[in-house]
Amino acid sequence: QVQLQESGPGLVKPSQTLSLTCNVSGGSISNDGYYWSWLRQLPGKGLEWIGYIYYSGSTYYSPSLESRLTLSLDTSGKHFSLKLTSVTAADTAIYYCARATYSWDITGYFPYFDFWGQGTLVTVSS
Amino acid sequence: DIQMTQSPSSLSPSVGDRVTITCRASQSIRSHLIWYQQKPGKAPKLLIFDASNLHSGVSSRFSGSGSGTDFTLTISSLQPEDFATYYCQQSYTTPLTFGQGTRLEIK
Repeated sequence: QVQLQESGPGLVKPSQTLSLTCNVSGGSISNDGYYWSWLRQLPGKGLEWIGYIYYSGSTYYSPSLESRLTLSLDTSGKHFSLKLTSVTAADTAIYYCARATYSWDITGYFPYFDFWGQGTLVTVSS
Repeated sequence: DIQMTQSPSSLSPSVGDRVTITCRASQSIRSHLIWYQQKPGKAPKLLIFDASNLHSGVSSRFSGSGSGTDFTLTISSLQPEDFATYYCQQSYTTPLTFGQGTRLEIK
């Protein structure tokens, strides 16, 4: 069974870069068929999709974050990462990494999240 | 972006009740609707994909229906472990978007 675990600083200063890593065990991110994803949940609020990266390295970002966001895969096949630049207090959230599988038909691919990390709280504050 | 609207925002049913939660999309998403359950301090857990397909290991008391813009999640006989917040998500197009959640609280 795939397991995911986020790691990274819990406190980031405003205007700095938020960097998180997701370690994947029980499977390889180099395998076809999955999108390796980041989501966040603002305190007491709903869920927001940040973006995902395919095993090939293709990335898909939320337009609201795209200008500040970089997702990457590690060549070892064991972890993937998020970098979000120029953070503000509005970026304070629980950040989740997740595996997205998908259904598909002739019109495209339709991803959803079947395995999640436990989440890590990142606070943006001076 | 496709807006997802859930109703109600909260509900206080009793154990054994049949519970229905509604999710409406701002445009047609065909059958590309996902349901998750989230308990406090935990990550969301996948329940249903493609509107009506039960994820492996999920209790059969959960069921989903709908297509186009209107969808429902039904819990046939509420159990104590079902008190949680439920979210819908559209997988039709990026950006992937979620409903605001429906919280089931113990009566």
